[in-house]
Amino acid sequence: RKEVEQDPGPFNVPEGATVAFNCTYSNSASQSFFWYRQDCRKEPKLLMSVYSSGNEDGRFTAQLNRASQDISLLIRDSKLSDSATYLCVVLQEAGKSTFGDGTTLTVKP
Amino acid sequence: DAGVIQSPRHEVTEMGQEVTLRCKPISGHNSLFWYRQTMMRGLELLIYFNNNVPIDDSGMPEDRFSAKMPNASFSTLKIQPSEPRDSAVYFCASSARSGRPDTQYFGPGTRLTVL
Repeated sequence: RKEVEQDPGPFNVPEGATVAFNCTYSNSASQSFFWYRQDCRKEPKLLMSVYSSGNEDGRFTAQLNRASQDISLLIRDSKLSDSATYLCVVLQEAGKSTFGDGTTLTVKP
Repeated sequence: DAGVIQSPRHEVTEMGQEVTLRCKPISGHNSLFWYRQTMMRGLELLIYFNNNVPIDDSGMPEDRFSAKMPNASFSTLKIQPSEPRDSAVYFCASSARSGRPDTQYFGPGTRLTVL
């Protein structure tokens, strides 16, 4: 079993739709959690950190459930520019991150 | 602010040749990471350094790969001899211990093709 698992998709949604991604992690001692975004042929960039209390940044909401060891990302009112691969990242111990394989989102007009 | 700088951006070489990838982390960051990304295996952590010291190199595929960080502003990843299966995008990332810890900032990557 992979340390971090994501549904690879692809998710194809129309503009304005709401879409949700999930990610599960296997190490219950994991400390920090993130969502990164990667555009085609570009480097990954931090989208947002994820906290147990849930956090929101504009149209994006991230949630951590430590009991079930899963992490979610919700995108509301999707835009064409949201098309990208979304990577779930888990920090196992100080400095060592494990990336999921990513979920591909395509937003269509 | 200058981000993480990597060179070269593209490298095409023949099997058996030595390849050296270079990285300059963001000034003031004290953790540096080398990743490899392929379609088949996704993004894999190869090695990371804290304060120029290698902490975990368990992701380095084999002895043909080596990494150094002689000072806080420079790191190299060397492959000798290179093989076609080493073809991938190699990313360097850095992070800080203060401010916003654990957030990794990636360089643009080096796209390596081994013929």
